[in-house]
Amino acid sequence: AQSVTQPDIHITVSEGASLELRCNYSYGATPYLFWYVQSPGQGLQLLLKYFSGDTLVQGIKGFEAEFKRSQSSFNLRKPSVHWSDAAEYFCAVGPLSGSARQLTFGSGTQLTVLP
Amino acid sequence: EAGVTQFPSHSVIEKGQTVTLRCDPISGHDNLYWYRRVMGKEIKFLLHFVKESKQDESGMPNNRFLAERTGGTYSTLKVQPAELEDSGVYFCASSQVGQNTEAFFGQGTRLTVV
Repeated sequence: AQSVTQPDIHITVSEGASLELRCNYSYGATPYLFWYVQSPGQGLQLLLKYFSGDTLVQGIKGFEAEFKRSQSSFNLRKPSVHWSDAAEYFCAVGPLSGSARQLTFGSGTQLTVLP
Repeated sequence: EAGVTQFPSHSVIEKGQTVTLRCDPISGHDNLYWYRRVMGKEIKFLLHFVKESKQDESGMPNNRFLAERTGGTYSTLKVQPAELEDSGVYFCASSQVGQNTEAFFGQGTRLTVV
């Protein structure tokens, strides 16, 4: 069965510092990989996704993620965090083929940004 | 273009009562999904509609939950009777049919059963 692990429940960084959120997955085939963000009072917003090709993917808001097949990881990074990045971040995997996008999510990482 | 809209944003009900959650997907999106997040845990898949048909309801926890999608437009998720463990945030998402399509999520309905 597929699963997603986000080992960090809560991370605190200072504004301007770099950020890395960890995600490890277990999946029986080559997966689609996603990072979503949920800001307070908002829905889940897609930050970036990986389907194939270049293993370093760029997303919105200056985020990027790197797919490492050998480590079953898809860590999210940002070189300089802004106060507005404070939110909860979810890693998710989905089936590679077909249009049915049944996603398996991790338990989320809450990011706090200090001024 | 309007996004995925969910009503209500919050609901507090007593154990044993009935609650109906509504989701309006993005116009033209045939795929509609319901997910649930119980406090502090991962977001879990509940079910998937393609138009008005249930494609996969393997994630529905029990028969107290009933989802419908009349006419392939909006969807409702009814919980009857509600139990304490049903508390959580219920998310709806929609997407177009096809490969590599993105699922757009609503803001969620926070359900509290007391």
